[in-house]
Amino acid sequence: GAVVSQHPSRVICKSGTSVKIECRSLDFQATTMFWYRQFPKQSLMLMATSNEGSKATYEQGVEKDKFLINHASLTLSTLTVTSAHPEDSSFYICSARSSGNTIYFGEGSWLTVV
Amino acid sequence: AQKVTQAQTEISVVEKEDVTLDCVYETRDTTYYLFWYKQPPSGELVFLIRRNSFDEQNEISGRYSWNFQKSTSSFNFTITASQVVDSAVYFCALSSTGGFKTIFGAGTRLFVKA
Repeated sequence: GAVVSQHPSRVICKSGTSVKIECRSLDFQATTMFWYRQFPKQSLMLMATSNEGSKATYEQGVEKDKFLINHASLTLSTLTVTSAHPEDSSFYICSARSSGNTIYFGEGSWLTVV
Repeated sequence: AQKVTQAQTEISVVEKEDVTLDCVYETRDTTYYLFWYKQPPSGELVFLIRRNSFDEQNEISGRYSWNFQKSTSSFNFTITASQVVDSAVYFCALSSTGGFKTIFGAGTRLFVKA
């Protein structure tokens, strides 16, 4: 079946540095990918919608300069957390939409900023 | 605006009990998808079911069953003869067929005790 893979699954970075998380659709092309953030014991909140070849659409309240999203190909979207701070520590998860309009979620990435 | 409400924050049952997780949604779209996902402590989202708004038939899959009622905007999930391995957070979600953004409910944490 279709698989969406995220890398890294866990990352620890120092405060002030940037960290990149990749989201790949392994056996299908995804024109649209979505990025979510989940704080402990909370729900998943949509951060942005990423369309291949165009700028991402961010949800209200999400800083586009802090959370850079690039969707350079039909199988890869990246989320870069710039100048990360401890409050950015969270579980980040992506999803990808197939041509058949099925949504597949990645395994998620745990980010810890120390 | 779209909204998903899972009023039950936590449910605790004893193994072999049946348990129903409630989900009520709001949308102005005439066509939409409803989902249930399971999130174990490891964090990944496990897809359980997707239901098209035009299909109101109830569905059963092993110990799992879903009751979709458009008249009350509800999409409830029942686990029959619960097991300890069912312990997880369960999310109900709603996706429009336009942008395919998926909106999640707050989640219901299910504890199944042996």
